[in-house]
Amino acid sequence: GNSVTQMEGPVTLSEEAFLTINCTYTATGYPSLFWYVQYPGEGLQLLLKATKADDKGSNKGFEATYRKETTSFHLEKGSVQVSDSAVYFCALRRIGGTDKLIFGTGTRLQVFP
Amino acid sequence: SQTIHQWPATLVQPVGSPLSLECTVEGTSNPNLYWYRQAAGRGLQLLFYSVGIGQISSEVPQNLSASRPQDRQFILSSKKLLLSDSGFYLCAWSAGRFSVDTIYFGEGSWLTVV
Repeated sequence: GNSVTQMEGPVTLSEEAFLTINCTYTATGYPSLFWYVQYPGEGLQLLLKATKADDKGSNKGFEATYRKETTSFHLEKGSVQVSDSAVYFCALRRIGGTDKLIFGTGTRLQVFP
Repeated sequence: SQTIHQWPATLVQPVGSPLSLECTVEGTSNPNLYWYRQAAGRGLQLLFYSVGIGQISSEVPQNLSASRPQDRQFILSSKKLLLSDSGFYLCAWSAGRFSVDTIYFGEGSWLTVV
């Protein structure tokens, strides 16, 4: 079946550190891949997405590249800020069936000054 | 531009009481609509989705139901809440069913059943 696996958190970093949150997926066909962010007490916001192999999604300094050969979509940021503290969800969506988003379990990021 | 709103934002309900969460989307027509639940410390689970008025599909058997009385209105209900219904409920919409279409989420509703 289709699934998403994320690294478990929390990930704790100092401000300006480099961030990587790993995400791998299992899917048939050609899914689109997404990263959502959830700030404390809020709903989910789309952070970035990629719709085909080798695409790179980017937003607010975050980047992720759709790697079909390794079935991965790792989230990276060169220099994190305290305001980046949130829960990050990797997700995939493929056509057919319920066309729903399939989420990973989420990774909490805590950035300290 | 399109917006999505859901309410109430927070509610505390006793076990056995009814529930109604409402969600509306503006700025688009015939959206796909979704209800997700996020239980404490867990990921997001799709509860219901709808591709049109009166068309509801349930992902998991549970104590909840959903209705879509109007094109851009999606309601989550329960006749009798259970403690296990506590969680963060998120309404979402998308313009289409293709994998490239983004699903956008509302602000969420915190439900605590006591």
